[in-house]
Amino acid sequence: AQTVTQSQPEMSVQEAETVTLSCTYDTSESNYYLFWYKQPPSRQMILVIRQEAYKQQNATENRFSVNFQKAAKSFSLKISDSQLGDTAMYFCAFMNLNYGGSQGNLIFGKGTKLSVKP
Amino acid sequence: NAGVTQTPKFQVLKTGQSMTLQCAQDMNHNSMYWYRQDPGMGLRLIYYSASEGTTDKGEVPNGYNVSRLNKREFSLRLESAAPSQTSVYFCASMRWPSVEQYFGPGTRLTVT
Repeated sequence: AQTVTQSQPEMSVQEAETVTLSCTYDTSESNYYLFWYKQPPSRQMILVIRQEAYKQQNATENRFSVNFQKAAKSFSLKISDSQLGDTAMYFCAFMNLNYGGSQGNLIFGKGTKLSVKP
Repeated sequence: NAGVTQTPKFQVLKTGQSMTLQCAQDMNHNSMYWYRQDPGMGLRLIYYSASEGTTDKGEVPNGYNVSRLNKREFSLRLESAAPSQTSVYFCASMRWPSVEQYFGPGTRLTVT
């Protein structure tokens, strides 16, 4: 079974600085996606960034980028120029794309609570 | 374009009562999902529907039933609520082929 581990329950960063959130996963599959979701205090789940396992190039979305190390099964999120609005829970998630019953199901880590301080 | 909507937003039940959580999406997605989120945990999959007319169990299906009423609507039913079902419930739908899942605002359910 696939598992997702986020080893940092809480982190804090000063506004305008850079922070990196860690995520590791375990799978025997070769075809999958990885995601980072943001959950602000409003509890809405917001997709931040996604990575396709077969692509070696790291995904980027504006101030958000990932460091995807497939052999090490590591998928970290870097937030540059942190803003107060980045304060939220961040969840790493894995999706297997095998063509069986579990296709498309997301498996989440337990989350990292990020606080951006002024 | 409302995306994914859920009703109600909050609910308090007594042990043994039943209720249905409603979910609808207007993005013409085939796949829909129900997750629960407990304190200190990520979301866990309860049930999913890969397409209209099909449903399957996820990681934590016990105590729940689902109905895929049509392509837009996917409901979650608690037949006899238990305190262990106190949680926040999220519905999601998925766009293919990007496999991005879009979430509703969640329902906070308390069972006393």
